[in-house]
Amino acid sequence: EPEVTQTPSHQVTQMGQEVILRCVPISNHLYFYWYRQILGQKVEFLVSFYNNEISEKSEIFDDQFSVERPDGSNFTLKIRSTKLEDSAMYFCASKTPESSYNSPLHFGNGTRLTVT
Amino acid sequence: AQTVTQSQPEMSVQEAETVTLSCTYDTSENNYYLFWYKQPPSRQMILVIRQEAYKQQNATENRFSVNFQKAAKSFSLKISDSQLGDTAMYFCAFMKETSGSRLTFGEGTQLTVNP
Repeated sequence: EPEVTQTPSHQVTQMGQEVILRCVPISNHLYFYWYRQILGQKVEFLVSFYNNEISEKSEIFDDQFSVERPDGSNFTLKIRSTKLEDSAMYFCASKTPESSYNSPLHFGNGTRLTVT
Repeated sequence: AQTVTQSQPEMSVQEAETVTLSCTYDTSENNYYLFWYKQPPSRQMILVIRQEAYKQQNATENRFSVNFQKAAKSFSLKISDSQLGDTAMYFCAFMKETSGSRLTFGEGTQLTVNP
């Protein structure tokens, strides 16, 4: 079964640095998402992306964050000037345009970001 | 805005027994979808079961079934014949019917299956 793949599995960065988290969605999927899970807390929606533009974003997704689909296969989340509170597990997900029931979100294994 | 609430932070069950995880939600939508996801220690998010709000019949997937009460906005997960591999965090999630809509998750319930 096709999978969503995320790299790296673990990223350590210093406060103030920029990081790029990478995702390769399932090839025939057209909707892409980033979610964040701070340790011990719920999974929070960050942003959804469709047709090469952001379709929805949460209040968490401020100017520090950006997403891009640079080459038709990768889907990236860039975090500028990282803060300690950005430490979390970041999940990428994708789905087809079919109804949500027939096409649930497929999640990657996540990237654990540690900001020191 | 939609909210999803899981009031049981932790639960435990003996192997081979049955356990029910609770979930309630709040929405003004009439048509929507509900999901249970499992997150084992590997942190992967795995879809367990899904339910369409306009279907009265409760969804079942092998040992997993739901009790969907639309009027009460309740969506509980029953795991029968619990196995050690069922040990995981379980998240209830809501999605509007709109194509491409996001998932809204509950806080999660950590389930431990004891031998």
